[in-house]
Amino acid sequence: DAGVTQSPTHLIKTRGQQVTLRCSPKSGHDTVSWYQQALGQGPQFIFQYYEEEERQRGNFPDRFSGHQFPNYSSELNVNALLLGDSALYLCASRETSESQETQYFGPGTRLLVL
Amino acid sequence: AQKVTQAQTEISVVEKEDVTLDCVYETRDTTYYLFWYKQPPSGELVFLIRRNSFDEQNEISGRYSWNFQKSTSSFNFTITASQVVDSAVYFCALSLDNAGNMLTFGGGTRLMVKP
Repeated sequence: DAGVTQSPTHLIKTRGQQVTLRCSPKSGHDTVSWYQQALGQGPQFIFQYYEEEERQRGNFPDRFSGHQFPNYSSELNVNALLLGDSALYLCASRETSESQETQYFGPGTRLLVL
Repeated sequence: AQKVTQAQTEISVVEKEDVTLDCVYETRDTTYYLFWYKQPPSGELVFLIRRNSFDEQNEISGRYSWNFQKSTSSFNFTITASQVVDSAVYFCALSLDNAGNMLTFGGGTRLMVKP
């Protein structure tokens, strides 16, 4: 049983470009959350998707948007990239009906903006 | 708003030493959940423990133990007889729900265990 998978593993972009990161949740999981982890810092919550809708959002600008597909996989899109968007982007998934279960994290996508 | 502070950015110990990682949190909510995660070089966060705000019992799991004190808003993590495989970045985090949604993380403590 595969855990949470993310693609690509690494990505290099230039300022002003747009990027799309992908996440496949653990089998049976229907809720996906995204976090941004800048170098040397703790992860920061970006948003969470459930039933193909954004349910909760952290303090991130509208340049950060997402999508969840019927198979529960998710995308994170960042427009007009800034140097400060360079970070490890982590995806986490959980099964909403299992209230006692915590979420599982993927290995992340490391984004470098030049 | 919630806040989690891990004052120790980096700790270096020699194998078999005991080490304690500190975590202090702030929240106005009376119901909250505290977590510890381990982040090895591979990047993914590995869940270690979850504690709710009404359960101040300390917990021990093998070489790991956790001390939760509401009076000082602290949730410290001790590794006994550290091993090289314990080398990683450790994060303390807080959530307002049991599942750990919308986690607020501390800045992390990098633990280096030398042979």
